[in-house]
Amino acid sequence: GDSVTQMEGPVTLSEEAFLTINCTYTATGYPSLFWYVQYPGEGLQLLLKATKADDKGSNKGFEATYRKETTSFHLEKGSVQVSDSAVYFCALRSGGSNYKLTFGKGTLLTVNP
Amino acid sequence: NAGVTQTPKFQVLKTGQSMTLQCAQDMNHNSMYWYRQDPGMGLRLIYYSASEGTTDKGEVPNGYNVSRLNKREFSLRLESAAPSQTSVYFCASSERGTGYRSGANVLTFGAGSRLTVL
Repeated sequence: GDSVTQMEGPVTLSEEAFLTINCTYTATGYPSLFWYVQYPGEGLQLLLKATKADDKGSNKGFEATYRKETTSFHLEKGSVQVSDSAVYFCALRSGGSNYKLTFGKGTLLTVNP
Repeated sequence: NAGVTQTPKFQVLKTGQSMTLQCAQDMNHNSMYWYRQDPGMGLRLIYYSASEGTTDKGEVPNGYNVSRLNKREFSLRLESAAPSQTSVYFCASSERGTGYRSGANVLTFGAGSRLTVL
């Protein structure tokens, strides 16, 4: 079945550091890939997405590239801010599943001033 | 524009009690979902409703029932609460449930309901 594996957290960085959160997946067909972010006390919200191989999703300085050959969708940001502190979830929706999003376990990021 | 609204935000129950979590969306979305979030487990789908009048089980449906009351509202009921149902519950909605590149891909989430079962 579909699955998403994210790097274990928590991740603690200083402001302006470079961020990478690894995400790999297993899926049937040609999945769409997503990163969702959850700020403290809030629900999840879409950060970025990519729907086909080699697509790059980007938003708020975050980027992720859909790599079919390595089944990966790593999240990167060149310079993190304290306001980026949150839990980040990688997710996929495979072509064989009309409704279900499969989530990774989430990675807690803390950015210190 | 409120988006997805869940009530209550917090609830404490005793084992065996029943309760209903309410969810409403004002975006005219066709599909609605209930997830639970547990530490180290990510989000797991409990039930979903692809469109008004239909509901289907997700990964972890045992101990829960749902009702798609109308296009806007999708409730989750715990008939006899157990400590294992202590969790944070999220309702979500999306535009459509079919077509792998459709708007169904993007879910809008509510702020969550924290449930503790003693």
